[in-house]
Amino acid sequence: NAGVTQTPKFQVLKTGQSMTLQCAQDMNHEYMSWYRQDPGMGLRLIHYSVGAGITDQGEVPNGYNVSRSTTEDFPLRLLSAAPSQTSVYFCASSYSSGAAFEQYFGPGTRLTVT
Amino acid sequence: GDSVTQMEGPVTLSEEAFLTINCTYTATGYPSLFWYVQYPGEGLQLLLKATKADDKGSNKGFEATYRKETTSFHLEKGSVQVSDSAVYFCALSEETSGSRLTFGEGTQLTVNP
Repeated sequence: NAGVTQTPKFQVLKTGQSMTLQCAQDMNHEYMSWYRQDPGMGLRLIHYSVGAGITDQGEVPNGYNVSRSTTEDFPLRLLSAAPSQTSVYFCASSYSSGAAFEQYFGPGTRLTVT
Repeated sequence: GDSVTQMEGPVTLSEEAFLTINCTYTATGYPSLFWYVQYPGEGLQLLLKATKADDKGSNKGFEATYRKETTSFHLEKGSVQVSDSAVYFCALSEETSGSRLTFGEGTQLTVNP
């Protein structure tokens, strides 16, 4: 199992450009999420999905779009990049383990917007 | 809304020292509590979890006990190693939020030989 994979690892964008961060998992997990990590703020949820075709907003969704056409893939789209979106982005997938969900994280994408 | 507060960092210890990283939470229901660890350049890995009051999670010598009366989930290890150097995140998920996690700000731990 590759687990959760993310591409690219690093990306530099100019303000106003758009791009898609890719995320894939091969564990057949129903749930997938996108987080951003900023210094001193932990991780904040951007968007999440509870299954193919179902997505919802998290804590900081503005400026980002998602779709979930298959169980395996959950891409994150930046519509018009802004310097405030400079961050490290983590994708996670999870399954229900009794009373809690076990989340598996990808290695992250470090994005810089100039 | 839900929130998680961790002790201010960074924390620097010598090898074999005792570690405590404090974590307190605010939640409306009965959350599950987690500690995640992030090694340099990597994603987060689940370290341990507890799903109800008085549960103790443990893994790799780390322990944390779910204390509902003090809304805390402090991480402890009796003897740290250089390889424990990492960032540690406390997190919670509510029954109603399913897979969604609320994270603390993270605590950087450095262990010197």
